Amino acid sequence: AQSVTQPDIHITVSEGASLELRCNYSYGATPYLFWYVQSPGQGLQLLLKYFSGDTLVQGIKGFEAEFKRSQSSFNLRKPSVHWSDAAEYFCAVAPSGGSYIPTFGRGTSLIVHP
Amino acid sequence: EPEVTQTPSHQVTQMGQEVILRCVPISNHLYFYWYRQILGQKVEFLVSFYNNEISEKSEIFDDQFSVERPDGSNFTLKIRSTKLEDSAMYFCASSLDRQSYEQYFGPGTRLTVT
Repeated sequence: AQSVTQPDIHITVSEGASLELRCNYSYGATPYLFWYVQSPGQGLQLLLKYFSGDTLVQGIKGFEAEFKRSQSSFNLRKPSVHWSDAAEYFCAVAPSGGSYIPTFGRGTSLIVHP
Repeated sequence: EPEVTQTPSHQVTQMGQEVILRCVPISNHLYFYWYRQILGQKVEFLVSFYNNEISEKSEIFDDQFSVERPDGSNFTLKIRSTKLEDSAMYFCASSLDRQSYEQYFGPGTRLTVT
């Protein structure tokens, strides 16, 4: 079975600084990978996904993520954080065939200082 | 932009009572899901629903849980006899298809069992 680890429970950055949120997965083959964001009082929103091909994936809101097979990682990045990016971020993995249900990580809470 | 809505936003109930959590998925979506997140833990899949029947369920979704689409717009999750450990945030999601993994989540219902 697949699993996801988000090693950082909280991350604090200053507005305008760059951001990297870490995600490691465990799965026997190449998985499908996702990042979701949950702003306060709202549901989870899909930021980006990786199925195959180019390992650098562009998403919405200026986010990108890079799949590194050798490190079993799918880290989320943004070059310049805005105060509105403060939210909970979830990494998820799904098997590349069969179930269409993602397995989520515990989430990383992003705090943005002015 | 269409969105998934959930009611109530917060429900408090006593142990042993039945609760029904309600969701209105996006109108043209065909697949419906329930997830839950116990405080501080991962988002966990409960059940998926398609064509008026359960298409997939997790080990968590035991006999005390049931889902229903009673009319053309609502999608409900019933917990027959609540336990303290059912306290969690419950998310509903819907999608037009499964292969894209484009699930749209509602804001959640926080269930507190006392």
